[in-house]
Amino acid sequence: GNSVTQMEGPVTLSEEAFLTINCTYTATGYPSLFWYVQYPGEGLQLLLKATKADDKGSNKGFEATYRKETTSFHLEKGSVQVSDSAVYFCALIRGSTLGRLYFGRGTQLTVWP
Amino acid sequence: EPEVTQTPSHQVTQMGQEVILRCVPISNHLYFYWYRQILGQKVEFLVSFYNNEISEKSEIFDDQFSVERPDGSNFTLKIRSTKLEDSAMYFCASRGGLAGEGEQFFGPGTRLTVL
Repeated sequence: GNSVTQMEGPVTLSEEAFLTINCTYTATGYPSLFWYVQYPGEGLQLLLKATKADDKGSNKGFEATYRKETTSFHLEKGSVQVSDSAVYFCALIRGSTLGRLYFGRGTQLTVWP
Repeated sequence: EPEVTQTPSHQVTQMGQEVILRCVPISNHLYFYWYRQILGQKVEFLVSFYNNEISEKSEIFDDQFSVERPDGSNFTLKIRSTKLEDSAMYFCASRGGLAGEGEQFFGPGTRLTVL
């Protein structure tokens, strides 16, 4: 089947610390991989994506690399800010579907000044 | 910037009652979705909708659930007889791209509490 596993939260960091949120997946075929972010009171927003192996998605200082050999798509940021506090969701779409997303549980990130 | 809106933000209902959750997708989008997230669990797909019919549904989307696009702008999810386990955050999403492509834009969610 298709599934996404994210590291358990919550994650609490000081400003300017390095962030890693682990994500691994199980999928048939060749999925596209996504990170979504949800700020308080708002909907899920696409943060970055990668559509094939070895692609690196990046946005707002966040990066994630599609690793087929380890079935992973870990989210990283070199220096977090208080404004990065949010819930982060890893997700996949199988290549052959009409765009149904399979999500992980989400990881709550809190950044303290 | 266009956005997906959902109403109400919070709905409290008694078990066995019918509820309708409303969504207004982005106006030129063609694909519509409902997802839900039970507290502490994964965001789960419920149903996708295209060209006025369901294109895919999950095993969660049983006969108690239905979707409708009644007037060309709203997209609704109806739960006919709510159960305690239907308590969750319900997210609507829409997409304008071709099949398998294009970003899904999400609304802020409706928190449904069934007592």
